[in-house]
Amino acid sequence: GAGVSQSPSNKVTEKGKDVELRCDPISGHTALYWYRQRLGQGLEFLIYFQGNSAPDKSGLPSDRFSAERTGESVSTLTIQRTQQEDSAVYLCASSPTPRKETQYFGPGTRLLVL
Amino acid sequence: AQTVTQSQPEMSVQEAETVTLSCTYDTSESDYYLFWYKQPPSRQMILVIRQEAYKQQNATENRFSVNFQKAAKSFSLKISDSQLGDAAMYFCAYRSAISGGSNYKLTFGKGTLLTVNP
Repeated sequence: GAGVSQSPSNKVTEKGKDVELRCDPISGHTALYWYRQRLGQGLEFLIYFQGNSAPDKSGLPSDRFSAERTGESVSTLTIQRTQQEDSAVYLCASSPTPRKETQYFGPGTRLLVL
Repeated sequence: AQTVTQSQPEMSVQEAETVTLSCTYDTSESDYYLFWYKQPPSRQMILVIRQEAYKQQNATENRFSVNFQKAAKSFSLKISDSQLGDAAMYFCAYRSAISGGSNYKLTFGKGTLLTVNP
């Protein structure tokens, strides 16, 4: 079946603009995660969704970052008033349930803020 | 908070040889999961192998095996008979076994770039 997909693959924006990144999880996966990967670094957790429960936003670095998910489907990560420090690869992952420890990753969106 | 450390930023190996990538972690928890993920230039994170902390037996997946030393908090990856396709960034990751919210997140090391020489 199809894996996790993300769009766009690459995004170049100007400082101060808002951007929206999209993630389509594997069908039937109730848990969805967003991570950020800065150049030369490991992945940092941003936010976690489980079904219709309130998301765990404990990893979001500032109030310029927000994310939504409709039910158990698509999620969007929005960064408002982008800064150069937001340049990174944003990766989405899903798992069948949160208790299933293996997360399946998408190919990521590379964001460059000029 | 848990931390994961990969002390080798880069490693290289000759094709068909064996290489070991190091990973140490810090946690106060007794039950957890450990993973090795591979990230080729395509950016796709691919699960290589996983280990459950309560299992003493080291996990193996074909040419990939781990040396899990719970007391030492060490989790190294051995790649046998290295192939050109193994060239990638390798990340070690930790996940708590405690239920709820951000406990389900993966905590990653900074990665080791593996080069395979023909």
